[in-house]
Amino acid sequence: EVQLVDSGGGLVQPGGSLRLSCVASGFTFSNHAMTWVRQAPGKGLEWVSSIINSGASTYYADSVKGRFTISRDNSKNTVYLQMNSLKAEDTAVYYCARDQWYYAYWGQGTLVTVSS
Amino acid sequence: DIVMTQSPDSLAVSLGERATINCKSSQTILYSSNNKNSLSWYQQKPGQPPKMLISWASTRESGVPDRFSGSGSGTDFTLTISSLQAEDVAVYYCQQYYSIPYSFGQGTKLDIK
Repeated sequence: EVQLVDSGGGLVQPGGSLRLSCVASGFTFSNHAMTWVRQAPGKGLEWVSSIINSGASTYYADSVKGRFTISRDNSKNTVYLQMNSLKAEDTAVYYCARDQWYYAYWGQGTLVTVSS
Repeated sequence: DIVMTQSPDSLAVSLGERATINCKSSQTILYSSNNKNSLSWYQQKPGQPPKMLISWASTRESGVPDRFSGSGSGTDFTLTISSLQAEDVAVYYCQQYYSIPYSFGQGTKLDIK
């Protein structure tokens, strides 16, 4: 059974940093690209970042480019999202998803709140 | 960037009746390598992650009831629920995966009338 477990969210002050993690199981992690999608409170879904299976290529939404870094450790079946210079508008539930272009599998989400 | 626009923003349908949600892309999302449209549909219930219903515009995901169907091509797409059930109350999103950034529609909230 495919499982994705997101973690690392919390309350952080504007300008602060946070690192999210997503641990995968039930499939060959190193064969799949992975993606982070976020959802602000009461709002829709927003694609944030993707990384290919090897980690050699990464992609970012303009809203996070230069502040967020996606990475992965295939030996630990884990994808990360390092978030720096956080802003209030980054407040959202962050989901990791297995990327087959479309997203058939999602984590349960981890809440990031940016507030003073 | 490709913009995805759904209509309506919300709708209410009687149990057992048909529900139709539309999604329009700002440019064609036909993937030439397989001649399929790069569009997926998701269902999201409160407090839950999205659940994928359909990929490639019309391919139903395993385990999804056959009352859900997707259609369309080019820039205009439709999600149809043939006979609405109480458990179908949710927000529905379309998403294009033709080009990065992979954009979602704004969502359509479906309720029971």
